[in-house]
Amino acid sequence: EVQLLDSGGGLVQPGGSLRLSCAASGFTFNNYAMNWVRQAPGKGLEWISAISGSGGTTYYADSVKGRFTISRDNSKNTLYLQMNSLRAEDTAVYYCAKSFSRSDDYWGQGTLVTVSS
Amino acid sequence: QSALTQPRSVSGSPGQSVTISCTGTSSDVGGSDYVSWYQQHPGKAPKLMIYDVSKRLSGVPDRFSGSKSGNTASLTISGLQAEDEADYYCCSYVGSYIYVFGPGTKVTVL
Repeated sequence: EVQLLDSGGGLVQPGGSLRLSCAASGFTFNNYAMNWVRQAPGKGLEWISAISGSGGTTYYADSVKGRFTISRDNSKNTLYLQMNSLRAEDTAVYYCAKSFSRSDDYWGQGTLVTVSS
Repeated sequence: QSALTQPRSVSGSPGQSVTISCTGTSSDVGGSDYVSWYQQHPGKAPKLMIYDVSKRLSGVPDRFSGSKSGNTASLTISGLQAEDEADYYCCSYVGSYIYVFGPGTKVTVL
């Protein structure tokens, strides 16, 4: 059974940093590109980043480019999102997703990041 | 990235049909074979319903269907049921592994 467990969220001050993790199980992790999608409270969904199965190629939405870094450790079956220079508008639930918008699409339960002083 | 537009809300009585539009440009919806639709109930993670414009995910009731004409994609729910009340988001691939979501449509079952 596919499982994605998002963690690492919490309260952080503006300008601070946080690293999110997504622990994967139930599938061959390094065979799949992985994504991060976020949702601000009461707002819509926003795709923010993706990484290839090998980790060699990464992609970012303009809203996070230069501040966020996606990475993965295939030996640990874990996806990461390093978030730096955080702003109030980065406050959201962050979801990791496997096979985004494909027939075997699967999302984690999400982890809440709150950026506030 | 480009922006997609969706109606803020649609409503219908049980058994009726409703259609949600998702309008973009030739750079996203109009030029992409990869348009998808997500359903989200309050407090839950989004659930993929339709992918590649019109393909229904395994286990999704056949009352859900997707289509596209020009720069507008549509999700139709035929035979509306109470459990269909949720937020629905369209999503389009825009190239270079970048995706963009619509703002979401709240479906209310009267």
